Amino acid sequence: DQQVKQNSPSLSVQEGRISILNCDYTNSMFDYFLWYKKYPAEGPTFLISISSIKDKNEDGRFTVFLNKSAKHLSLHIVPSQPGDSAVYFCAASASGGTSYGKLTFGQGTILTVHP
Amino acid sequence: NAGVMQNPRHLVRRRGQEARLRCSPMKGHSHVYWYRQLPEEGLKFMVYLQKENIIDESGMPKERFSAEFPKEGPSILRIQQVVRGDSAAYFCASSRESAQYFGPGTRLTVT
Repeated sequence: DQQVKQNSPSLSVQEGRISILNCDYTNSMFDYFLWYKKYPAEGPTFLISISSIKDKNEDGRFTVFLNKSAKHLSLHIVPSQPGDSAVYFCAASASGGTSYGKLTFGQGTILTVHP
Repeated sequence: NAGVMQNPRHLVRRRGQEARLRCSPMKGHSHVYWYRQLPEEGLKFMVYLQKENIIDESGMPKERFSAEFPKEGPSILRIQQVVRGDSAAYFCASSRESAQYFGPGTRLTVT
C-alpha cells in the first residue's frame, strides 16, 4: 500500500522556468511533510518542510504548498537551475507535527533542468 | 558542525556473513533512524532509536536484522547471515526537533 505517491517519474524543465513537483498521500494521520533532493550515490538532502497547520512554506527559491482536503502537496522551484537536476522525494510522517518518528517516502521524481 | 556520518560507504559480503553498518548522528541529535533503499525504489523506514532505546522497529524484518544505539558510540545496524536480497543502500538519519538529516549511506553488496 503506497501511502505517499509521486505519480510523475520524471520532469524536464528549461533553465529559469518554474519546476512543479507533485505528491499525493492517502493517510489522513500524516501531519508533517518534507521534500528531499537526492543525487546518485549520496544521501537525501533536506530541502523544505511544512506542518499541517500551514498551507504554504517558502525558503528562497523553494515553496511547498499543502492542500489537506485534497491530500496533495507540491514543491515549486523558481527559477529552476541546472544544479537542481536530481531525484526529488516527498516524505510524510504522523508525529504530532514534528519530525519524530518514521518517514514514509514517495517513489521519487527525476527532475532535469536544461540550460 | 559535521553532518551524519556513516561507515563504511561500501560493504561487500558473501552470502551467510554478517554485515555491520555504523551511524554517528549530528552533534546534538538524539534521534536516529535507519532506512533502506532497494534498487529502483524509494526509501523504506526500518527502525527509530533513541539512546539505549528502540522506539519503533515496525519496518525491520523479523529475522536477521537488529539495531542498537548505545549510550556511547555510534548506532549499529546489524544484518546476520546476509542474503542477496539484502543488497541495497542503507541510510541513517538523525534529528533533534527539526527535519531528519541523512548520512551518505552504506551500499551493501551481497555476492
